[in-house]
Amino acid sequence: QQQVKQSPQSLIVQKGGISIINCAYENTAFDYFPWYQQFPGKGPALLIAIRPDVSEKKEGRFTISFNKSAKQFSLHIMDSQPGDSATYFCAASRLGSARQLTFGSGTQLTVLP
Amino acid sequence: DGGITQSPKYLFRKEGQNVTLSCEQNLNHDAMYWYRQDPGQGLRLIYYSQIVNDFQKGDIAEGYSVSREKKESFPLTVTSAQKNPTAFYLCASTRRGDTGELFFGEGSRLTVL
Repeated sequence: QQQVKQSPQSLIVQKGGISIINCAYENTAFDYFPWYQQFPGKGPALLIAIRPDVSEKKEGRFTISFNKSAKQFSLHIMDSQPGDSATYFCAASRLGSARQLTFGSGTQLTVLP
Repeated sequence: DGGITQSPKYLFRKEGQNVTLSCEQNLNHDAMYWYRQDPGQGLRLIYYSQIVNDFQKGDIAEGYSVSREKKESFPLTVTSAQKNPTAFYLCASTRRGDTGELFFGEGSRLTVL
């Protein structure tokens, strides 16, 4: 079973702090690594994604860091805001194919005001 | 606005009953998917369909059935054979060419009494 292991399960951060969520994968053939954000009672939405040809991708306050040799990638949320409180899922797939996506177990982020 | 509509949002079912969850999209997307979400677990793929009148089993298809008679519609039936059907069900779609980005509906929460 191809797995993506995500940690921590839950995270509490003060407003303005940095939130860091980590994921590790096993299959070296994975070549697409997205992060999804899910608010309570809603479906997930793509937040940011990275391919293994780069080590970092930044979009606003959200950054993915990718370490190919360690088979790890992480999401950093700078200047965390209460509106960032949500569940975050990492995922990975071969060939960048949605039908082959393997999801992590999710991290519930709470940003305190 | 284009999007994915799932109904009902909440559904209660007695043991031994089949139930059908609706998923309609007006994004003109070719591929559609059904995922199951359980607390503390990632999203797991039940079924997917890349074109009309064709669908494939995902990782946890046992106890579920689908149909794809129209491009816009991909209903999921949770049968009485599903041992643990209480969960949050998410429908998703992808653009032509399957770039990897999933567009999700808001989900249907099924509770078996």
